[in-house]
Amino acid sequence: KQEVTQIPAALSVPEGENLVLNCSFTDSAIYNLQWFRQDPGKGLTSLLLIQSSQREQTSGRLNASLDKSSGRSTLYIAASQPGDSATYLCAVRNAGNNRKLIWGLGTSLAVNP
Amino acid sequence: GAVVSQHPSWVICKSGTSVKIECRSLDFQATTMFWYRQFPKQSLMLMATSNEGSKATYEQGVEKDKFLINHASLTLSTLTVTSAHPEDSSFYICSARGTGLLTDTQYFGPGTRLTVL
Repeated sequence: KQEVTQIPAALSVPEGENLVLNCSFTDSAIYNLQWFRQDPGKGLTSLLLIQSSQREQTSGRLNASLDKSSGRSTLYIAASQPGDSATYLCAVRNAGNNRKLIWGLGTSLAVNP
Repeated sequence: GAVVSQHPSWVICKSGTSVKIECRSLDFQATTMFWYRQFPKQSLMLMATSNEGSKATYEQGVEKDKFLINHASLTLSTLTVTSAHPEDSSFYICSARGTGLLTDTQYFGPGTRLTVL
């Protein structure tokens, strides 16, 4: 059974820092992995999607990597800003017929001005 | 990009009443829609998956008679919480998966905050 873990659960950093959020999964047979952002009381915004055959994806200050064999993904945020404060969720879609999204509990990020 | 809307964004109701939440894909056709529930400080929990024109598939532990899902068209799915109770208070999020090039990605609605008094 696929399980997704995110560490740290919470992170507080000063503005301008580069930071890394971690996501690990127990079953390497995945179809893709996706990083989302959720602001308090709001829905989800998709940040990056990495297919199982890919190693990384970049969008602006965000870079997500995927190491399928070790069951890990990292989300790198460069030059963090207060507007980056949110909860970041990692979700894995399993390969095979049952392609449900399996969610981590998220990392709550606070970027302090 | 693909947009999913939900209505209402928040609702307060009395215990015992029914509440309907709408989920629409605005600029794409969604063959599959998903309904999630999220409690405070917890991640999303999949409640059910619905395909247009067929019955929804409910996750284990989710009462299908309490959470009625209708996916009558390729752009609209509804979730009706019947005889709502305070423990049903939660944040409900729908998601839609498209066809063709949009098949791999789920697009999420902004969520509906339900409070049952």
